[in-house]
Amino acid sequence: DAGVTQSPTHLIKTRGQQVTLRCSPKSGHDTVSWYQQALGQGPQFIFQYYEEEERQRGNFPDRFSGHQFPNYSSELNVNALLLGDSALYLCASSLGGTRGYEQYFGPGTRLTVT
Amino acid sequence: ILNVEQSPQSLHVQEGDSTNFTCSFPSSNFYALHWYRWETAKSPEALFVMTLNGDEKKKGRISATLNTKEGYSYLYIKGSQPEDSATYLCASPTQGGSEKLVFGKGTKLTVNP
Repeated sequence: DAGVTQSPTHLIKTRGQQVTLRCSPKSGHDTVSWYQQALGQGPQFIFQYYEEEERQRGNFPDRFSGHQFPNYSSELNVNALLLGDSALYLCASSLGGTRGYEQYFGPGTRLTVT
Repeated sequence: ILNVEQSPQSLHVQEGDSTNFTCSFPSSNFYALHWYRWETAKSPEALFVMTLNGDEKKKGRISATLNTKEGYSYLYIKGSQPEDSATYLCASPTQGGSEKLVFGKGTKLTVNP
């Protein structure tokens, strides 16, 4: 049973460019959450997708957008990249709706903006 | 705003030592407390999800306790081994259900052989 997978592993982009990160959830999971981990910080919630819709959003600008496909996989898009967007981006999947659920994380995509 | 704090920030112990660290969270509107273990270059691995005051959970040499009235959880590692070296993160959801997790900054544990 494949766990959560993310692609690519590493990415280098230039300021102002756009980037798309991809995530495939654990088999049987229907909810995908995205987190950003900057150096020295804990992961910060970006948004969560359930039934192909954004269900909750953290404190991130509109430059961060996402999508969930019918097979529950998800994309994170970041437009007009800033140097401060350099971080590890984690995807987590879960079964939506119940208290005490577990989130399963992927290994992350390391984004470097130069 | 939910604020999750962890201490210490880092910890160095010798192989065989037992250790523990703390996660603090607001005691009001508590829903759940998650512990994760994150080894370098790997995915964060879920250790425990705790929901009830007084909960104690155990997985091998690792155990955790929860006090929702005073807003803290302890993670204990008995007889630390070098393979326990990792960053241990705790997180709490802002609301019940599949809502966003707010993470602490983690405790980085190094176990020296």
